[in-house]
Amino acid sequence: QKEVEQDPGPLSVPEGAIVSLNCTYSNSAFQYFMWYRQYSRKGPELLMYTYSSGNKEDGRFTAQVDKSSKYISLFIRDSQPSDSATYLCAMSARRDDKIIFGKGTRLHILP
Amino acid sequence: DVKVTQSSRYLVKRTGEKVFLECVQDMDHENMFWYRQDPGLGLRLIYFSYDVKMKEKGDIPEGYSVSREKKERFSLILESASTNQTSMYLCASSLLSGRGNQPQHFGDGTRLSIL
Repeated sequence: QKEVEQDPGPLSVPEGAIVSLNCTYSNSAFQYFMWYRQYSRKGPELLMYTYSSGNKEDGRFTAQVDKSSKYISLFIRDSQPSDSATYLCAMSARRDDKIIFGKGTRLHILP
Repeated sequence: DVKVTQSSRYLVKRTGEKVFLECVQDMDHENMFWYRQDPGLGLRLIYFSYDVKMKEKGDIPEGYSVSREKKERFSLILESASTNQTSMYLCASSLLSGRGNQPQHFGDGTRLSIL
């Protein structure tokens, strides 16, 4: 079983829709969870950073962690064409400098 | 904002050449990382460093070496470039986890082609 699994997509949704992006993981020691956005030909950009379970909201973005199910989600409300990118989930265990990345989901927002 | 700067966006080299990729960060981060990113394979860690002159192997160190002579600068070296090292190379930095686990911040990458 892979440590972090993420559907590669592509996921195509109409502008204005709510987008749900997900990752599952196998290592119960993971406590820190991140979402990165990567535009074509650019480096990953940190979007959300959460610790343990629960929700975190930042503007149109909400990150959700369910440690009991080993499942994390990123919701994008009122999606815009500028949200079209690859979204990478990432996670790490306590006091571990290494981060494990998902392979990314390609998202297309259709105008 | 954290700024991680990679010296070249695009680079073309020939097989057998020694290649240097440079990365500089301006946030006094202890940790620095080199990844390569390939379609279908995601991000793979090559090397990382948690202090000056310190280095640790990542998941795919073969064919690479690194140098960290100053805190802000981390160099990736391809000793004898081969075509299978054609890839997007990403540098990242983060604060040391002793201050609470910290996320990594990335540069914009160097797209390296080995002919």
